[in-house]
Amino acid sequence: DIQMTQSPASLSASLGETVTIECRASEDIYSNLAWYQQKPGNSPQLLIYDANSLADGVPSRFSGSGSGTQYSLKINSLQSEDVASYFCQQYNNYPYTFGAGTKLELK
Amino acid sequence: EVQLVETGGGLVQPGRSLKLSCVASGFTFNNYWMSWTRQAPGKGLEWVASITNSGGSTYYPDSVKGRFTISRDNAQNTLYLQMNSLRSEDTATYYCTREGLWVSSFDYWGQGVMVTVSS
Repeated sequence: DIQMTQSPASLSASLGETVTIECRASEDIYSNLAWYQQKPGNSPQLLIYDANSLADGVPSRFSGSGSGTQYSLKINSLQSEDVASYFCQQYNNYPYTFGAGTKLELK
Repeated sequence: EVQLVETGGGLVQPGRSLKLSCVASGFTFNNYWMSWTRQAPGKGLEWVASITNSGGSTYYPDSVKGRFTISRDNAQNTLYLQMNSLRSEDTATYYCTREGLWVSSFDYWGQGVMVTVSS
């Protein structure tokens, strides 16, 4: 199985700040990577697919990058509504696997 | 508007069975692969099962293979998850998820249904 190592586990940032979350795969996943946002009490929502494609309706302050085994999610100009947990997921191979998540809070 | 509505959760004893349903609307159901993904309380996400648009092929992780069965009724726009031999570690919120038409990320999620396995 492909292991997804996500960091940091938690993050505290100020409004307007730029935040970066990293995800490392245990083997090459050829950009078959998604990022999800889960606000407290809600279902996850797709933010990014294919490593760098923005899902419909997602604000442009979110962006994804990376290739091979290393990927990142960047949030520019942090807003209060971005307080959430973020998960990466690889869909290159079964079983699909997720990172453990990053909890983003406001400082 | 795409909607995925799960039902069938509840409290069940270890070793017993439960069947979840997910009614889909707002899109052409039989065009899309569908999946179930779960989240234990306070924990991360775990993919549970996927099924092709025709229902002809299914996929599972080892943690549920042989115990869980995913199926679909395209005439009724409904996805199912039959869960047998339930264990305490199966306690989680179960989400019905749609895979994208050309990419296997989960582009829509249901609101989730809670399954608690306890004596």
